[in-house]
Amino acid sequence: NAGVTQTPKFRILKIGQSMTLQCTQDMNHNYMYWYRQDPGMGLKLIYYSVGAGITDKGEVPNGYNVSRSTTEDFPLRLELAAPSQTSVYFCASSGQGGNEQFFGPGTRLTVL
Amino acid sequence: AQRVTQPEKLLSVFKGAPVELKCNYSYSGSPELFWYVQYSRQRLQLLLRHISRESIKGFTADLNKGETSFHLKKPFAQEEDSAMYYCALGGSNYKLTFGKGTLLTVNP
Repeated sequence: NAGVTQTPKFRILKIGQSMTLQCTQDMNHNYMYWYRQDPGMGLKLIYYSVGAGITDKGEVPNGYNVSRSTTEDFPLRLELAAPSQTSVYFCASSGQGGNEQFFGPGTRLTVL
Repeated sequence: AQRVTQPEKLLSVFKGAPVELKCNYSYSGSPELFWYVQYSRQRLQLLLRHISRESIKGFTADLNKGETSFHLKKPFAQEEDSAMYYCALGGSNYKLTFGKGTLLTVNP
């Protein structure tokens, strides 16, 4: 099993550009999550999903969108990128909500 | 509301010294607590969970409901323990709440 995979690993965007961060898991987990990690701030939940077709906002959803058309995939969309979105983004999945989460390798995004 | 507090942003110890990373939580229900570790530029990975009561890489953590704490301990720190450590609280709302993390540096 590959676990949780994310693409790309690195990306530089210009202000106002858009992009999609991809996340795929092969563990048949229902629960999937997107976090951003900023220095000294820990992990902040952006969006999460409890199953295909169901998504909900986390702590910091503004400027982002998600979709969950399949169990495996949970892409994160950035519209009109801003410098404040410079961060490391982690996707995670869990077989049970509120329980152990498995993390992807992260995407390091810089918005200039 | 769920809350996790890790009071130390940075912790520096010498190799062979004991180490304790503090974690306090706030939760009205029955908590599930975890410690995650993130080595330099790697993904987060689960280190241990309170429910399994096991020792991983020499680390242990005991849930103290009276003090609402879940401190992570190791009697003899090793250089390879240098990493960012996150305490996390699970509950009934499908999510984990993470603390802000403690960066542990073990000096030779």
